[in-house]
Amino acid sequence: DAKTTQPNSMESNEEEPVHLPCNHSTISGTDYIHWYRQLPSQGPEYVIHGLTSNVNNRMASLAIAEDRKSSTLILHRATLRDAAVYYCILRNAGNMLTFGGGTRLMVKP
Amino acid sequence: EAGVAQSPRYKIIEKRQSVAFWCNPISGHATLYWYQQILGQGPKLLIQFQNNGVVDDSQLPKDRFSAERLKGVDSTLKIQPAKLEDSAVYLCASSLGSNYPTNEQFFGPGTRLTVL
Repeated sequence: DAKTTQPNSMESNEEEPVHLPCNHSTISGTDYIHWYRQLPSQGPEYVIHGLTSNVNNRMASLAIAEDRKSSTLILHRATLRDAAVYYCILRNAGNMLTFGGGTRLMVKP
Repeated sequence: EAGVAQSPRYKIIEKRQSVAFWCNPISGHATLYWYQQILGQGPKLLIQFQNNGVVDDSQLPKDRFSAERLKGVDSTLKIQPAKLEDSAVYLCASSLGSNYPTNEQFFGPGTRLTVL
């Protein structure tokens, strides 16, 4: 399975944008890039996904590099409720998600 | 819309005992997943069902773990006998099915297992 590399942790100030990076240099042409997040004591929840083009939804934006070897999840205005572990995952044709260690985002008031 | 239900939420057992977890997925979701999440790590897929058939169980320790989804709806995951290293949160997730582009997985709250 293609793997992803994320920083272990990041800090942000409340109300400021946050850019969470992810490297996936061995991504294959059919792999979708998915982001999930896990709030404390909860199961993961879907955030956003993309294949080649940048994507926006009500939760976040996903910027995908032209060569698809990296991507960035963008939270436009971080709130305290956004403090979570964010997972960047490559979803293969078999639809399995292989979670890595993720990035723990801490939001300071 | 009701989410993925799991029970129990917490379980404490001694090593070598047996334990079972139950999951009821979102209505209409064909695919069901069981994950194991050890403290400080990301979830690891144990088994994936499509309706009542197993799609992938390559990471399921079959000497002690078993799972079934007999009627293609709810599912049980069993550990017999439990070891200390089985202490983890067991997450159940469901999705519409692999034919859907997003195929977003919806996770339940998990069962926290402590093996003493």
